[in-house]
Amino acid sequence: QSVLAQPPSMSGAPGQRVTISCTGSSSNIGSGYDVHWYQQLPGTAPKLLIYGNVNRPSGVPDRFAGSKSGTSASLAITGLQADDEADYYCQSYDNSLRGSVFGGGTKLTVL
Amino acid sequence: QVQLQQWGAGLLKPLETLSLTCGVYGGLFSDYYWTWIRQSPEKGLEWIGDITHGGSTSYNPSLRSRLMISVHTSRTQFSLRLSAMTAADTAVYYCARATGGVVLPASFGPWGQGTLVTVSS
Repeated sequence: QSVLAQPPSMSGAPGQRVTISCTGSSSNIGSGYDVHWYQQLPGTAPKLLIYGNVNRPSGVPDRFAGSKSGTSASLAITGLQADDEADYYCQSYDNSLRGSVFGGGTKLTVL
Repeated sequence: QVQLQQWGAGLLKPLETLSLTCGVYGGLFSDYYWTWIRQSPEKGLEWIGDITHGGSTSYNPSLRSRLMISVHTSRTQFSLRLSAMTAADTAVYYCARATGGVVLPASFGPWGQGTLVTVSS
């Protein structure tokens, strides 16, 4: 059971928009800690996709957008493409566990 | 463009000590801190700990008693040692660069290629 809850799977057709949620609590996201998002393509290491809740590293298309409110965060992907098919993970800090924590991951399927 | 390359033994017997090293190439070593993360089907992604270039460490409390992370600044490398390994420690282990912002936590990227570590008798 991950500290940050994500839907195990989501799907969408090419061109559609999907939003992946990351639900935490008052000891992590709700305490104002940043949320980061990672994309993991099959057989590869995770790659930083969004940092500091809303910021995209150089090279990440603006089809990916992060947001945060209260004890939750979201990753929106617009204009879905076939190569967006991957696992997506959120990360934050938990002051009870005293360290970084991750969501359980969401497997995104492009139909 | 910074790249991380990691190496170390991938098959251990119970109670043996895991030793992994991560080399950092093509980037500034002293401007960041450096982290270890593992991934297993049972536990997902799990932060292990991190170290600054000056050697200050921060460890996952659940692993602290068995864990040591060290840095070799002159060689731009950092290492992980995790003792008393059990089957529950079987996972893919990753090294990564940690970039801290104004607010915790640091974000992680880029990552090393990963090392599958299996603990089996």
